Amino acid sequence: AQTVTQSQPEMSVQEAETVTLSCTYDTSENNYYLFWYKQPPSRQMILVIRQEAYKQQNATENRFSVNFQKAAKSFSLKISDSQLGDTAMYFCAFMRDTGTASKLTFGTGTRLQVTL
Amino acid sequence: GAGVSQSPSNKVTEKGKDVELRCDPISGHTALYWYRQSLGQGLEFLIYFQGNSAPDKSGLPSDRFSAERTGGSVSTLTIQRTQQEDSAVYLCASSTSGGGPIPTQYFGPGTRLTVL
Repeated sequence: AQTVTQSQPEMSVQEAETVTLSCTYDTSENNYYLFWYKQPPSRQMILVIRQEAYKQQNATENRFSVNFQKAAKSFSLKISDSQLGDTAMYFCAFMRDTGTASKLTFGTGTRLQVTL
Repeated sequence: GAGVSQSPSNKVTEKGKDVELRCDPISGHTALYWYRQSLGQGLEFLIYFQGNSAPDKSGLPSDRFSAERTGGSVSTLTIQRTQQEDSAVYLCASSTSGGGPIPTQYFGPGTRLTVL
């Protein structure tokens, strides 16, 4: 079974600063996908960024980037130029690559507060 | 295009009653998932449907929970004889089948269930 660990229950960052959220996972699989989702107070889960395990290059999406360290089983999220709208719960998630659909295994989340 | 929709948005019921939660996936997505988000348990996988294959029911917490997917589209999650511990947000997601682009799951806004 896979497990995902987010060791930071809460974090705070000032607007325009950079923050990094940590995520580690445990798996015996070699092929898998990793995701970061955000969940603002509206409750809607929104995809932030995704990474295929076979790709060594770190994924980036505008202000969001990841540091994927496969050997260390680490998948941290960096948010640059933080904005008030980034305030949300952030969940790291793991999915096996089975060639078909598969369930997500989530971490416990990190609550990020962006302040003025 | 339209995203995943769920109804009702909120549901309050009395202990012992049955409830039905509905999910309408993104058009063309063959995989559909149900998750539960509660304070004590975080985000838990419940069940997923993949095309015409038998659903993966491995996450259903008890036989009071069941789900069906009609015509490969809309899904209904049914909870019979509700208990107070069933109170949670029920999230639905859909994705493509995999075997090509990352089968990313896109979530609906959720149904908040409160059992009195």
